[in-house]
Amino acid sequence: GIQVEQSPPDLILQEGANSTLRCNFSDSVNNLQWFHQNPWGQLINLFYIPSGTKQNGRLSATTVATERYSLLYISSSQTTDSGVYFCAVPRRAGTASKLTFGTGTRLQVTL
Amino acid sequence: ETGVTQTPRHLVMGMTNKKSLKCEQHLGHNAMYWYKQSAKKPLELMFVYSLEERVENNSVPSRFSPECPNSSHLFLHLHTLQPEDSALYLCASSQLPFLGQGNTGELFFGEGSRLTVL
Repeated sequence: GIQVEQSPPDLILQEGANSTLRCNFSDSVNNLQWFHQNPWGQLINLFYIPSGTKQNGRLSATTVATERYSLLYISSSQTTDSGVYFCAVPRRAGTASKLTFGTGTRLQVTL
Repeated sequence: ETGVTQTPRHLVMGMTNKKSLKCEQHLGHNAMYWYKQSAKKPLELMFVYSLEERVENNSVPSRFSPECPNSSHLFLHLHTLQPEDSALYLCASSQLPFLGQGNTGELFFGEGSRLTVL
């Protein structure tokens, strides 16, 4: 099956710093999702980004499908950005999609 | 609020108990999923239901029994679990990506049910 790798595995930032998280995948994909898992465990949708660049406030994401990677940018980080960031790519399961998740980047933002 | 609600949020059970996890989605989706997240492991897909029919069972032990009575509700029945089954169980839903235009198949997750098996 498809392999999804994320880097770095852990990241500590001071509040206000910028960061880039990377997601590499081993096969071609037709879409990709980024999630933020908060300390209570909930997975929050950040981006659905099969290709190109999207921005949402301080976050933006870029997927270069031909080169099999996606980047998540966090600017002016805040303590509320702490948690684990996952990328995930879909594979078909019958008529549904099943997501294969990367191993995640654990981000801690300190004061 | 993602439109996917899971109950209970926390559950502690003994190995001989029978319990159920419930998931309800208010998004009008027609596919539902159970994922398992154990400590220090990637999220693992357990089951996929598409139009209330199970289309994927990812080699899950029979002590986990899913049920999807309609497209809005999904259950995970638990019976004679082991301590290593302690984990966060996440439910998700999506609109089937291969039906109709504009359906991306994007998944939306509930808040999870944290299970501890003693």
